[in-house]
Amino acid sequence: AQSVSQHNHHVILSEAASLELGCNYSYGGTVNLFWYVQYPGQHLQLLLKYFSGDPLVKGIKGFEAEFIKSKFSFNLRKPSVQWSDTAEYFCAVNANNQGGKLIFGQGTELSVKP
Amino acid sequence: EAGVAQSPRYKIIEKRQSVAFWCNPISGHATLYWYQQILGQGPKLLIQFQNNGVVDDSQLPKDRFSAERLKGVDSTLKIQPAKLEDSAVYLCASSLDLGEPYGYTFGSGTRLTVV
Repeated sequence: AQSVSQHNHHVILSEAASLELGCNYSYGGTVNLFWYVQYPGQHLQLLLKYFSGDPLVKGIKGFEAEFIKSKFSFNLRKPSVQWSDTAEYFCAVNANNQGGKLIFGQGTELSVKP
Repeated sequence: EAGVAQSPRYKIIEKRQSVAFWCNPISGHATLYWYQQILGQGPKLLIQFQNNGVVDDSQLPKDRFSAERLKGVDSTLKIQPAKLEDSAVYLCASSLDLGEPYGYTFGSGTRLTVV
């Protein structure tokens, strides 16, 4: 069965620090990959997505992610975090043969100290 | 563009009671999803509709959960009877069509507490 694993449950950083959140998935076929963010009290919002092409994907608010097929990974990065990036981040996978179904990781809570 | 509307935002019930959640997707979105998000976990798909037909309900506990999408627009998710482990946020999402997961829009969710 497909699964998504996020390495860190809770990450604490100071403002201006660099961020990298790990995400690995288990599925041998073609996948679409997503990162979602959930700010406190708000709904899930799409940060970025990868379907095909350039494995380095740029999203909103300065986030980017790199798809490494050989490692089944899709790590999220940001060179300099801000206090407003405090939120929960979810990696998700959609397999091409499963319609629109998303498999989510367990989430990583990011706390940025001012 | 209006978002996905869900109600109520919060609900507290006692175990063995029943509860229903409502979702109004974005106008024109053919595909509707219900996800369950237990505290500390990522959302898990419960059921997926394409118009008013069920595409995937393999993860829906059918002995107590039911869902419908009459007329292919609004949807309701019901739990009867509720158990303590049903405490979670229930998220509704919609997308233009089945093959367009990148078009997902999530609602704000209904937070259910079963006591």
